Amino acid sequence: QSALTQPASVSGSPGQSITISCTGTSRDVGGYNYVSWYQQHPGKAPRLMIYDVNHRPSGVSSRFSGSKSGSTASLTISGLQAEDEADYYCSSYTRNIWLFGGGTKLTVL
Amino acid sequence: EVQLVQSGPEEKKPGESLRISCKGSGYTFANNWIAWVRQRPGKGLEWLGIIYPADYETTYSPSFQGRVAISVDRSVSTAYLRWSSLKASDTAIYYCARRDPYDYTGNYQFHFDHWGQGSLVTVSS
Repeated sequence: QSALTQPASVSGSPGQSITISCTGTSRDVGGYNYVSWYQQHPGKAPRLMIYDVNHRPSGVSSRFSGSKSGSTASLTISGLQAEDEADYYCSSYTRNIWLFGGGTKLTVL
Repeated sequence: EVQLVQSGPEEKKPGESLRISCKGSGYTFANNWIAWVRQRPGKGLEWLGIIYPADYETTYSPSFQGRVAISVDRSVSTAYLRWSSLKASDTAIYYCARRDPYDYTGNYQFHFDHWGQGSLVTVSS
């Protein structure tokens, strides 16, 4: 199974919205509603931000939202803040294994 | 409070064996899956495998099958990741992560809600 495809980098100014895509196949992203997103600040462990495509764990800001269309999932961050600058990874469950995307570095300008 | 506390940094030579650990607390250890995830320097996350402590069911990524071994000791609420012969390419931070199999309604869940702090493994001659 190949890794999921994410853009290497995205950027936005404070207050703006950005969207990070995560493209898989019908066997993973397209076949299951088990896409999750993780935020990782430098030197820190990943943190769950979105699960089951569009659900937020308690404690995660409502500025973070997720969606899916076909085999592409998306993470949208609205009202960008400096603290959102981090790496973001998507993940999908498929047939007893999990796949991660290559990661996207978000820069807040 | 759910916590996953991992063992400290390791420096090893190629060909040596190693076992790192991940101790869970604040929840029922046996009833939650533990996964291991690799992050090479400056690179992304890679899923190695997962184990269910209650019945020791284990699944490996095809990319890591035969290269690592995942186990648990329920008596000390600890999961392990083991190598029998390290390579330089195993140099990475290794994270353990918890998967609670069910949500509050009893539906299956497939995400990792808590992560350990990471264990740095350096393999160099």
